[in-house]
Amino acid sequence: SAVISQKPSRDICQRGTSLTIQCQVDSQVTMMFWYRQQPGQSLTLIATANQGSEATYESGFVIDKFPISRPNLTFSTLTVSNMSPEDSSIYLCSVGGGAGREAFFGQGTRLTVV
Amino acid sequence: GENVEQHPSTLSVQEGDSAVIKCTYSDSASNYFPWYKQELGKGPQLIIDIRSNVGEKKDQRIAVTLNKTAKHFSLHITETQPEDSAVYFCAAIQYSGAGSYQLTFGKGTKLSVIP
Repeated sequence: SAVISQKPSRDICQRGTSLTIQCQVDSQVTMMFWYRQQPGQSLTLIATANQGSEATYESGFVIDKFPISRPNLTFSTLTVSNMSPEDSSIYLCSVGGGAGREAFFGQGTRLTVV
Repeated sequence: GENVEQHPSTLSVQEGDSAVIKCTYSDSASNYFPWYKQELGKGPQLIIDIRSNVGEKKDQRIAVTLNKTAKHFSLHITETQPEDSAVYFCAAIQYSGAGSYQLTFGKGTKLSVIP
């Protein structure tokens, strides 16, 4: 199993500012995933972060808006840049899920942009 | 890419009754199908999963069935309890080559168990 600590758990931010979300895993993992969950919606993958390489972004998400760092095998950050109210969502980091293994999720960061 | 449809979006049942949530997927290469429960203010947690070489799996009050030919799978909760109230997500996993993979989630079902 994996225990994921994500912070902050919630934040209220002014539009135009940026917020960096941290994700710490209690074991070394190759791939870490960042998801967005808009109010009442499902999880949408933003990007996959591999240690030692650039993150891979899904359609509709770009590095300038959601820069990701992956400095080592247990840690990653997601920055939400130049925020607007449309960025108000829950952001989740995740590990695992490959080869039929369980995926684990952090508790999420509830972001409100005003 | 994979597309996962989930129904119903909301479901209310009386305590003690059964609840069934259904999902379909589009990519015949998908071979792992987990179900997640998300309680308010928490991240999703795996409750049961099934692999494509298995037709049914049961864990106490929870069971999942898979029909690979029809590309659909279902979650069954029997003897529902108020603590089963949550949002449930189905998912399918597909491999993109070179060791990469991606979970695609359904839109979720909000289950309410009425005492």
